[in-house]
Amino acid sequence: TQLLEQSPQFLSIQEGENLTVYCNSSSVFSSLQWYRQEPGEGPVLLVTVVTGGEVKKLKRLTFQFGDARKDSSLHITAAQPGDTGLYLCAGGSNYKLTFGKGTLLTVNP
Amino acid sequence: GAVVSQHPSRVICKSGTSVKIECRSLDFQATTMFWYRQFPKQSLMLMATSNEGSKATYEQGVEKDKFLINHASLTLSTLTVTSAHPEDSSFYICSARRGLAGFNEQFFGPGTRLTVL
Repeated sequence: TQLLEQSPQFLSIQEGENLTVYCNSSSVFSSLQWYRQEPGEGPVLLVTVVTGGEVKKLKRLTFQFGDARKDSSLHITAAQPGDTGLYLCAGGSNYKLTFGKGTLLTVNP
Repeated sequence: GAVVSQHPSRVICKSGTSVKIECRSLDFQATTMFWYRQFPKQSLMLMATSNEGSKATYEQGVEKDKFLINHASLTLSTLTVTSAHPEDSSFYICSARRGLAGFNEQFFGPGTRLTVL
């Protein structure tokens, strides 16, 4: 069984601060996705990384896929209240996704 | 592109009734759709994988007779919660896999909040 450990589970910060969320596994994934979910809504795909060492940027969000394709990180610069939500990493293997437990981020004004 | 709709968004029913939830991929064909269940402030729990034209594959511990899945076309999958009970109350989310080789991108519907009284 493939497992994805996501940390931290909860994060409460002030507007303007930086943060990093980590996603680690002992398994190799063919791809890794990051999703953001707001209460009462479905997850929204932020990014997909497929190549070891790949770095992708989406405005203030930077995503990195580990060289061995077993881990990933999400870094947010100058967080804003609109970044509040549940961030989920998901590793792809065959046709299924394995989800981490999520990071509940609260950005206080 | 890659929009998935889900209907209804909310449903309240009496114990013992059956509820059907529809999941549609609006602008792409999805050979595989997935059904998840999510509890408050927790991650998604995969219930079953739905393949067009074949029987669904259920995860361990999910009752296939209680959660009936039909994937009749490349754009529609349905989940029927049969004889619903209060413990079935949850947030149900579907996703559709866009079939790009080597990719496992899934696009999620907005979810259905089921409340069983």
